[in-house]
Amino acid sequence: SQQGEEDPQALSIQEGENATMNCSYKTSINNLQWYRQNSGRGLVHLILIRSNEREKHSGRLRVTLDTSKKSSSLLITASRAADTASYFCATSYNNAGNMLTFGGGTRLMVKP
Amino acid sequence: GAVVSQHPSWVICKSGTSVKIECRSLDFQATTMFWYRQFPKQSLMLMATSNEGSKATYEQGVEKDKFLINHASLTLSTLTVTSAHPEDSSFYICSAVGPIGRSPLHFGNGTRLTVT
Repeated sequence: SQQGEEDPQALSIQEGENATMNCSYKTSINNLQWYRQNSGRGLVHLILIRSNEREKHSGRLRVTLDTSKKSSSLLITASRAADTASYFCATSYNNAGNMLTFGGGTRLMVKP
Repeated sequence: GAVVSQHPSWVICKSGTSVKIECRSLDFQATTMFWYRQFPKQSLMLMATSNEGSKATYEQGVEKDKFLINHASLTLSTLTVTSAHPEDSSFYICSAVGPIGRSPLHFGNGTRLTVT
């Protein structure tokens, strides 16, 4: 199975702290994407990192990719209460990059 | 831009009835749409790939006669849960991708189905 695994499954931090979530996957990928899901809502795309990239930034988000270890991390700096959500990594393994397999997700709670 | 609208956002139905969920790409043409199912506190599991003008491709273990998918136009795909049972209660999410190169995927807000 291509399915990724994420850890931790749940993370609770105080506002202002950094949150780090990790994702591991099993086979070769074209790209890896991180999504956010608020409770009972759809997914919002956060960032995409290609297999030939090692690090990418977007605002308070920093994503790393280590293809040798088949792992990725998402760092949210200076967290806010509004960052409370579930975060999923998804790996793409087809040429068009649209067939996604999702990891189990990390439920992040940021306490004000 | 790149908005995907899913309707209804929630639905309650009785066992044995059928429910249709719509997924529309509002400002782009989606040649391919994907349907996912998500159980509480779990990840998204791909159910099927919907291609405009052709039959859907179902993932292993997904009953195509139970989950009917129709992608009749470049902006609309529908998922019909036929003869719904309580175990079909779940969160169903669609995503859409436009012509090659239009990445990443854009997701609808999901449909919460409760079968009583």
